[in-house]
Order: sequence, then C-alpha cells, then structure tokens
Amino acid sequence: AQTVTQSQPEMSVQEAETVTLSCTYDTSESNYYLFWYKQPPSRQMILVIRQEAYKQQNATENRFSVNFQKAAKSFSLKISDSQLGDTAMYFCAFMKNFGNEKLTFGTGTRLTIIP
Amino acid sequence: DSGVTQTPKHLITATGQRVTLRCSPRSGDLSVYWYQQSLDQGLQFLIQYYNGEERAKGNILERFSAQQFPDLHSELNLSSLELGDSALYFCASSRSSAGQGQETQYFGPGTRLLVL
Repeated sequence: AQTVTQSQPEMSVQEAETVTLSCTYDTSESNYYLFWYKQPPSRQMILVIRQEAYKQQNATENRFSVNFQKAAKSFSLKISDSQLGDTAMYFCAFMKNFGNEKLTFGTGTRLTIIP
Repeated sequence: DSGVTQTPKHLITATGQRVTLRCSPRSGDLSVYWYQQSLDQGLQFLIQYYNGEERAKGNILERFSAQQFPDLHSELNLSSLELGDSALYFCASSRSSAGQGQETQYFGPGTRLLVL
C-alpha cells in the first residue's frame, strides 16, 4: 500500500518570503501522479499543482513549483512571494496510474503567512 | 468554483439515523469519488464510481453505501449513524483515468455532518 508522509505539521513565514513544504511517499509503482491540494479555512479542497512521475521536468504553476525527486520519493512544494491568501492546510497526495485512481493523502501541513 | 456541487452543505442528525449526501460532478466527468475527512482519520478514500459502475472501494463501512445514477450524479447513504461518523464528506470528480490531466480530481465544497 502507498503511504504519504508530511513531516511538518505547522509552518509559518513572513509575507513575500519563499517557503518549502516537504512530502515523501512510498510506492513500488513506476508510473503514478502526485498532487498538492490546498485547504483554506473555508475547508474547500483546491488543486495547487500536479506532477506526472514519468516526466522529469518539475511542474510549475505561477508562484508554485515542485521539486520532484523520483529516486528519493520526494515531492516538495515551493511557494514564492507568499501571500496572505496562501494561509491554509496543504495536503500532498499520491495516485496510482490506471485501475486505481484513489488519492492517498498525507496528514497535511498548516501554513500561516504572517503580515 | 470547481464545478462539483454537493448538497446539503451542513447536516445535523441523531445517532441511529440515516442520511443521504448528494454530489453532481463537473460536466463531462465520468468518475466520482467520495472521501471522508475527520480529525482522527484525516482524509480517507471511501469509494469510486465510473460511468455508473463501482470501480474501487476503500475504507467504507458496511453501514455506508453509494451509487451513481445515469445522469452521473452520485449519492452516499450513511445509515445507523454513530457519533464517530461526524466528519466532512467530500465528493470529487475526474474525466477518466487516461492521464494528460484527465485523472485530476476536482473537489466539491463538502458536506459537514454532525451526529449528536
């Protein structure tokens, strides 16, 4: 079974600074997908970024980028120029490729952006 | 707005009762997933339907059941409710499992269930 570990329960950073959230996972699969979801106080789950394991290039979405290290099974999220609206719980999630599309989530990192 | 809708937003009920949660996927999405988010268990996958058929089952209790209708909306039925069933229940949808972004799941706003 796949497991996803987020070792930082809470983090805080000053507005406009850069912050990196860590995620490691365990799988024997070679093809899979990785995601970061954001859950603000409204409790809505919002997709931040996705990465396909067979792609070596790290995904980027505006101020959000990932550092995907397949051999190390590491998938960290970097938020640049952090904004107050980035305050939220961030969940790392794993999905196998084909046949079993359930998301396996980590326990989350609570990120607070300080004005 | 993800395009996934869930009703009701909040539900308060008593132990032993039965409730039905409803989900409408994004237009064109064939897969519907149900997840439970509780304080002690985190986010847990319950069940997936694809184009009307059950495709995968997770840690779903026997007291819980789901179905997906021909118009692709889905319902999650929770019966003989216990205090521990209090949680936020999410529905998510995706196009398919074919990759190229089609596997990406988009979440509804959730139904907050409180069992008293």
